Amino acid sequence: NAGVMQNPRHLVRRRGQEARLRCSPMKGHSHVYWYRQLPEEGLKFMVYLQKENIIDESGMPKERFSAEFPKEGPSILRIQQVVRGDSAAYFCASSPATNEKLFFGSGTQLSVL
Amino acid sequence: AQSVTQLGSHVSVSEGALVLLRCNYSSSVPPYLFWYVQYPNQGLQLLLKYTSAATLVKGINGFEAEFKKSETSFHLTKPSAHMSDAAEYFCAVRPNQGAQKLVFGQGTRLTINP
Repeated sequence: NAGVMQNPRHLVRRRGQEARLRCSPMKGHSHVYWYRQLPEEGLKFMVYLQKENIIDESGMPKERFSAEFPKEGPSILRIQQVVRGDSAAYFCASSPATNEKLFFGSGTQLSVL
Repeated sequence: AQSVTQLGSHVSVSEGALVLLRCNYSSSVPPYLFWYVQYPNQGLQLLLKYTSAATLVKGINGFEAEFKKSETSFHLTKPSAHMSDAAEYFCAVRPNQGAQKLVFGQGTRLTINP
């Protein structure tokens, strides 16, 4: 049973470009969470999704950021018109239900030039 | 609002020595508390969690943590450090109800000296 898969592992973008980060949860998991880790900081919650629904996006910046978890396929975190401050490690986690243990992916390191 | 403070961004101990990583939390409701470990180029792995059962929680790899409500602390310990324990450790808190919206501390990087 493969773990939480995130790709790409590293993503380099120039300012103004779009970044798309993908997360495939563990088999049988329908809950996905995105966290962002800025340098020298802990992980910060961004968004919580279930299949086709955004449950809690209180940690998402109001502009340029969006997330989806379609019925088929991976969850996508999309950042439009990236800026240097978006450079960070983005982690995805999944769980089979609300109060169950979280399993984290290895993260995507986004670098904005 | 909940928050977590980890005292010491870097901790260095000798192999075989006691490991003590400090975590203090603030929460207006009884919390769930977690310790996660992050090895280089890997995602976070759950070491242990406190869910209002026993105050002394045993985790994987010989780690344990004690919940002390009076001190609002949840320090992580291991009696004898091993080289393979070198990693980043994160303390986290969330309400005991609701989704896994964890609030993380800033992390403590543990270095083991031979």
